Amino acid sequence: GAVVSQHPSWVICKSGTSVKIECRSLDFQATTMFWYRQFPKQSLMLMATSNEGSKATYEQGVEKDKFLINHASLTLSTLTVTSAHPEDSSFYICSARSTGGDGYTFGSGTRLTVV
Amino acid sequence: AQKITQTQPGMFVQEKEAVTLDCTYDTSDQSYGLFWYKQPSSGEMIFLIYQGSYDEQNATEGRYSLNFQKARKSANLVISASQLGDSAMYFCAMREPNTGFQKLVFGTGTRLLVSP
Repeated sequence: GAVVSQHPSWVICKSGTSVKIECRSLDFQATTMFWYRQFPKQSLMLMATSNEGSKATYEQGVEKDKFLINHASLTLSTLTVTSAHPEDSSFYICSARSTGGDGYTFGSGTRLTVV
Repeated sequence: AQKITQTQPGMFVQEKEAVTLDCTYDTSDQSYGLFWYKQPSSGEMIFLIYQGSYDEQNATEGRYSLNFQKARKSANLVISASQLGDSAMYFCAMREPNTGFQKLVFGTGTRLLVSP
């Protein structure tokens, strides 16, 4: 079946640095990628939606300049957390829609800790 | 406004028994999709079952079935013959209607604990 590879699975970074998270669709073309954030014991909150070759659409309250999303190809989307702070520590997970079908394929998630 | 409501923060069930996880949704659209996902402690999201709004039959996938009551706007997940490995968070989600991106909106989740 469809697979989305998400890396890294976990990362620890210093406050003020930037972190890039990659989601790559391995065996299908992901025209749309969704990026979610999940705080401990809470639900998944959609941050932004990206379509290949166009600018991402951010949900209300999400800082565009802080969470940079790039979807340069049909198989790769990246989320860069810029100037990370401890409050950005969270679980980030991507989800791709394929060019056909009703499915959503999730990455395995990235646990970000900012110290 | 909350579109997906899961009123059970936690549920306990004994191994081999059945359990129902509640989910209600809110939409005025006629065409929508409902999903259930399992999230173990590792964090991955595991797709369990899907129900389309026009599907006349309740969806079933192995031990999972979806009790779809359209008039009540409920889409409860039934897990039969619970196993210890079923212990996890369970999320109900709806594909947002009238959005070009087909976003998924999630409920707050229910933590299921299966005891021996």
